[in-house]
Amino acid sequence: GQSLEQPSEVTAVEGAIVQINCTYQTSGFYGLSWYQQHDGGAPTFLSYNALDGLEETGRFSSFLSRSDSYGYLLLQELQMKDSASYFCAVSPNNAGNMLTFGGGTRLMVKP
Amino acid sequence: DTEVTQTPKHLVMGMTNKKSLKCEQHMGHRAMYWYKQKAKKPPELMFVYSYEKLSINESVPSRFSPECPNSSLLNLHLHALQPEDSALYLCASSQDSGSHEQYFGPGTRLTVT
Repeated sequence: GQSLEQPSEVTAVEGAIVQINCTYQTSGFYGLSWYQQHDGGAPTFLSYNALDGLEETGRFSSFLSRSDSYGYLLLQELQMKDSASYFCAVSPNNAGNMLTFGGGTRLMVKP
Repeated sequence: DTEVTQTPKHLVMGMTNKKSLKCEQHMGHRAMYWYKQKAKKPPELMFVYSYEKLSINESVPSRFSPECPNSSLLNLHLHALQPEDSALYLCASSQDSGSHEQYFGPGTRLTVT
């Protein structure tokens, strides 16, 4: 089976940088994804890492270390609209699309 | 068009009712999914369809019955549900079964009374 750990809540101020960590234990591993979900909204894909290293997409970056079973999402120049829940999700070896989500991190951005 | 639509937005049903949730996408995606999400919890995968065939059924009770009439449509038929089945039901799609990026619909908020 799969289990993922991420902090339940993070608070930061506008303009700051925040890092949301995710550690996972899986019977197989294909890649690590990150999704954002605003209250009452649909999850939205942010990034995906299959290989070790950093992937950058605008203000958001995602990092993966397969040897440490660890990844993080880095949000820079925080804006109020970034207040949302962030989920990491793993895909096992045999089905890249069969996502198992972590419990989610609720990010609150304050002025 | 990068949208997944779901109807209805809200549904209240009794335990003896039969109802259906509908999902549609016109992105040419060949994989579609149903997830269940309880409040303040992550989405949980229920079913995966790949090229209109059910490929994954995550041990979901038989009172939930999925159907994929064609490559753009996905239904979830509901019958004899329990109050604990009340949740947000999310539909998603991806280009194919190997794609890692899934596009989610806004969900149907289901309440079972």
